[in-house]
Amino acid sequence: GAVVSQHPSRVICKSGTSVKIECRSLDFQATTMFWYRQFPKQSLMLMATSNEGSKATYEQGVEKDKFLINHASLTLSTLTVTSAHPEDSSFYICSAFIRGGSVRTEAFFGQGTRLTVV
Amino acid sequence: DQQVKQNSPSLSVQEGRISILNCDYTNSMFDYFLWYKKYPAEGPTFLISISSIKDKNEDGRFTVFLNKSAKHLSLHIVPSQPGDSAVYFCAAKNTGNQFYFGTGTSLTVIP
Repeated sequence: GAVVSQHPSRVICKSGTSVKIECRSLDFQATTMFWYRQFPKQSLMLMATSNEGSKATYEQGVEKDKFLINHASLTLSTLTVTSAHPEDSSFYICSAFIRGGSVRTEAFFGQGTRLTVV
Repeated sequence: DQQVKQNSPSLSVQEGRISILNCDYTNSMFDYFLWYKKYPAEGPTFLISISSIKDKNEDGRFTVFLNKSAKHLSLHIVPSQPGDSAVYFCAAKNTGNQFYFGTGTSLTVIP
């Protein structure tokens, strides 16, 4: 099946620094990618929709100046957490959507990135 | 506002019996519903999906039922196996291809 690769899998950074997370579709072109965040024992929360060549669309309550999303190519979207604080510590996951030839519809997910801000 | 809800945070079943995981949603505009399986510190993996125009989809041991009037879907796993133990998320997709997830149900299958 399709593969979405996310890097890094774990990152620890100091408070006030910025962290970039990459999401790549390895064997397909993804015009749209999605970024999610998961707090412990909670659901995956959609943060933003990343569209290739245009600005990302953010969900209500997500600070677009803090979570910068760039989708410069059909295979790469990046999420940059700027001026990170301990409350930004979370599990971040990207996904890319594929519509198959049949009625099956899937979103493929990256492995996730565990961000810890100290 | 949680558009997709899973009201049971955990479920334990005996090996060989049926596991039934439930999910409710509020947005009648969702056009696809999906179930994902997730292990800690990993991304979700796709399990089974159903279009909003259908009421049942079966794939091996997994069957998803959709009741649109009740805005309810369920995942049946039969027979349950210990390897099925994981957290299961239901998700709903809108026409913009955005996915909204429930809070997950942790399934434990007891050997």
